[in-house]
Amino acid sequence: QSVLTQPPSASGTPGQRVTISCSGSSSNIGSNTVNWYQQLPGTAPKLLIYSNNQRPSGVPDRFSGSKSGTSASLAISGLQSEDEADYYCAAWGDTLNGPHVVFGGGTKLTVL
Amino acid sequence: QVQLVQSGAEVKKPGASVKVSCKASAYSFTPYSIHWVRQAPGQRLEWMGWINGGNGNTKHSQKFHGRVTITKDTSARIAYMELSSLRSEDTAVYYCARASGTKLFDYWGQGTLVTVSS
Repeated sequence: QSVLTQPPSASGTPGQRVTISCSGSSSNIGSNTVNWYQQLPGTAPKLLIYSNNQRPSGVPDRFSGSKSGTSASLAISGLQSEDEADYYCAAWGDTLNGPHVVFGGGTKLTVL
Repeated sequence: QVQLVQSGAEVKKPGASVKVSCKASAYSFTPYSIHWVRQAPGQRLEWMGWINGGNGNTKHSQKFHGRVTITKDTSARIAYMELSSLRSEDTAVYYCARASGTKLFDYWGQGTLVTVSS
């Protein structure tokens, strides 16, 4: 089963801007929209970005998403200590067995 | 507010089955699908499958080779995920999550820890 590729770790200092990449293929990101999630330790993931760049209500505009071709990115500006978490991308993937959802391996963000 | 409330933790022996429930509240059940996602300790999120809240159509990941069964009770607003022939590698937190079209997983259950151990 295909998996989206994310860097295992990222870091930044408070106030900085960090970006997290998510690389896929023509059968997933290349033909479907991307969603991003934040997971704090011991909790369920929380939707941050859907449809590549849309924020659900309540998500600060410090979080933004973009997509180009078979890759996507999550940007966090004005980094805060509470942003320290794991971040995952996800998208529908098209296979011979029908559509399925694929996740990235997750990126652990450390606020220094 | 929208809630997905899952059943409690389970401990199972290898070869057994487990059935996890996910009760939805505060939204119309049928226009949305319910997906199941699991996370082994320290590992990434892994999609297992989904059920259409309206017509009940299901799809599951080929990885589970038919071991997973997803069902629903529309009147009770509950979705179920049953995993059979359990092995130690199935030890994980199992989540249900709501989806609609391309908006994947806007609400999640609290997670159910399933431990497989002899």
